[in-house]
Amino acid sequence: SQWGEENLQALSIQEGEDVTMNCSYKTYTTVVQWYRQKSGKGPAQLILIRSNEREKRSGRLRATLDTSSQSSSLSITGTLATDTAVYFCATDAGTNAYKVIFGKGTHLHVLP
Amino acid sequence: GALVYQYPRRTICKSGTSMRMECQAVGFQATSVAWYRQSPQKTFELIALSTVNSAIKYEQNFTQEKFPISHPNLSFSSMTVLNAYLEDRGLYLCGARRDRVDERLFFGHGTKLSVL
Repeated sequence: SQWGEENLQALSIQEGEDVTMNCSYKTYTTVVQWYRQKSGKGPAQLILIRSNEREKRSGRLRATLDTSSQSSSLSITGTLATDTAVYFCATDAGTNAYKVIFGKGTHLHVLP
Repeated sequence: GALVYQYPRRTICKSGTSMRMECQAVGFQATSVAWYRQSPQKTFELIALSTVNSAIKYEQNFTQEKFPISHPNLSFSSMTVLNAYLEDRGLYLCGARRDRVDERLFFGHGTKLSVL
């Protein structure tokens, strides 16, 4: 498997709080993408961070990547109830950049 | 914008029968299409990757004989689940990619397969 067992988790927080979700992976990747999947829909990409980047920001989102520990995080500041979703990190296979492998996901529930 | 339509949204089939699902890219050309199955626990399994000018590559545990895929042009792909059984239940998702430079996958709503 590409993924560490700690990827699967569920978080429940109050609206307005900040949250950080983590993922770790086992094999080399050129990019880490973070996707969000809302109930009844397919995943949608939120942010992408490349292996030569340590941090990437987009609005309320911040992604980090530590290639030495093969881990990435996604932080959301000032969460909203509409941020409730399952969040996945995804890597490529290194040798085949078209292949995207999804992690187990984090269920985030933001209470209004 | 880039949209992907996948249909049907949900389907029920009898054990041992087959069902076909279709994936349409709108507003862009999909140079690659990846088919996934998502379990009720939200775990993704990559079934196969279809890339323009390359043979369709199936992942371990998935075969062309069971999940034949057609990718006749840059806006359309279909996959059939042949002889569906209980273990084939799940949400099937197609993720379409524009090109090698843009790593994003665009997904539709998926096809939820139930097997009786």
